[in-house]
Amino acid sequence: QQQVKQSPQSLIVQKGGISIINCAYENTAFDYFPWYQQFPGKGPALLIAIRPDVSEKKEGRFTISFNKSAKQFSLHIMDSQPGDSATYFCAAIRSTSGTYKYIFGTGTRLKVLA
Amino acid sequence: DSGVTQTPKHLITATGQRVTLRCSPRSGDLSVYWYQQSLDQGLQFLIQYYNGEERAKGNILERFSAQQFPDLHSELNLSSLELGDSALYFCASSSSSGGTDTQYFGPGTRLTVL
Repeated sequence: QQQVKQSPQSLIVQKGGISIINCAYENTAFDYFPWYQQFPGKGPALLIAIRPDVSEKKEGRFTISFNKSAKQFSLHIMDSQPGDSATYFCAAIRSTSGTYKYIFGTGTRLKVLA
Repeated sequence: DSGVTQTPKHLITATGQRVTLRCSPRSGDLSVYWYQQSLDQGLQFLIQYYNGEERAKGNILERFSAQQFPDLHSELNLSSLELGDSALYFCASSSSSGGTDTQYFGPGTRLTVL
């Protein structure tokens, strides 16, 4: 069963625009929320991650906003560039008694037009 | 290049058959993770091994099994293959026992079941 819902499924943005991808989770026990970027023919790569005790984290043009009460988090890509065209996955990780649960969203295919 | 290697790159087989996918983690990494990526299911976590021991289990079918060897490479065995098992299979590795570790993904093995 899907515990992390990601939207939109696909997104087209003009160069220089802001790309926003949203994720919502159901289980409040998750304690780490990474975002991955995947280019065609490659494996996913960690982009940025946040813990639930922080409301926002920024790394360069990439920002995660986290709303614990709404159980939602989002990725914002500022000044989007054609090189950002890729598939983005959110994920939620739960640690319980030394074991882990890794749940991924279904992905968002981003295309940035030149 | 993440430093994680996977073989083979492509695999074509028939229903009912058994295949083995191999993963070599980054030098020094102790954890290996296996994921299945299909078009309709996104990225699904299958299983994690840490220093030879199973550490976390996801949506892995009973027909699938994995192990991590003393040299830390891992193999994912898929048996009684069905058409629906056609997917990209990714291996990832991390330096420690999991959770908030950065996972480094390999290039994947594309499995086609005919």
